[in-house]
Amino acid sequence: DVVMTQSPLSLPVTLGQPASISCRSSQSLVHSDGNTYFNWYQQRPGQSPRRLIYEVSNRDSGVPDRFSGSGSGTDFTLKISRVEAEDVGVYYCMQGTHWPPWTFGQGTKVEIK
Amino acid sequence: QVQLVESGGGVVQPGRSLRLSCAASGFSFITYGMHWVRQAPGKGLEWVAVTWWDGVDKEYADSVKGRFTISRDNSKNTLYLQMNSLRVEDTAVYYCTNFDYWGQGTLVTVSS
Repeated sequence: DVVMTQSPLSLPVTLGQPASISCRSSQSLVHSDGNTYFNWYQQRPGQSPRRLIYEVSNRDSGVPDRFSGSGSGTDFTLKISRVEAEDVGVYYCMQGTHWPPWTFGQGTKVEIK
Repeated sequence: QVQLVESGGGVVQPGRSLRLSCAASGFSFITYGMHWVRQAPGKGLEWVAVTWWDGVDKEYADSVKGRFTISRDNSKNTLYLQMNSLRVEDTAVYYCTNFDYWGQGTLVTVSS
């Protein structure tokens, strides 16, 4: 199974400041079809997960442009350019290249300082 | 708009069974592989099972293989999860998802 490792697991941030979350996979997530099936999800308190980014860097409809995804192979990053109060929650990375199983990172809890 | 609405959760004793349902709308259900993902209280996300568009091919997490059965009815745009031989460690919120969209989840509590 592909192991997804996120860091940090807790991220206190100041409103208006940038934030960055790292996710590393135990093997390359480049599929034989050339695509990289790697997503980022946001889970606000008391809510279900919501996809923010798909295939490494594609922002979903309605996702603010302060969110961006980057990376390749085994190393991926989610950046928030200026954190807002509504960004509080837990962020998960997920791989869908080598399945089953589909695997998630442990989650990174973003909170306001 | 896209809606995934789970139902069927509840409190059940260890060893008993429960069937979850997920009603889908707002997208072409038949074209998607559909998954169940669960989240134990205070924990992260764990993939449980998938059924592909035709309902024939299915995959399961090792933790539920042989106990859970995923199925779908494309005529009703509905996904199911039959959970047998439930264990305390199956306690979780169960989400229905195509990985683009997620339902609100249904809580399954296994306790004596």
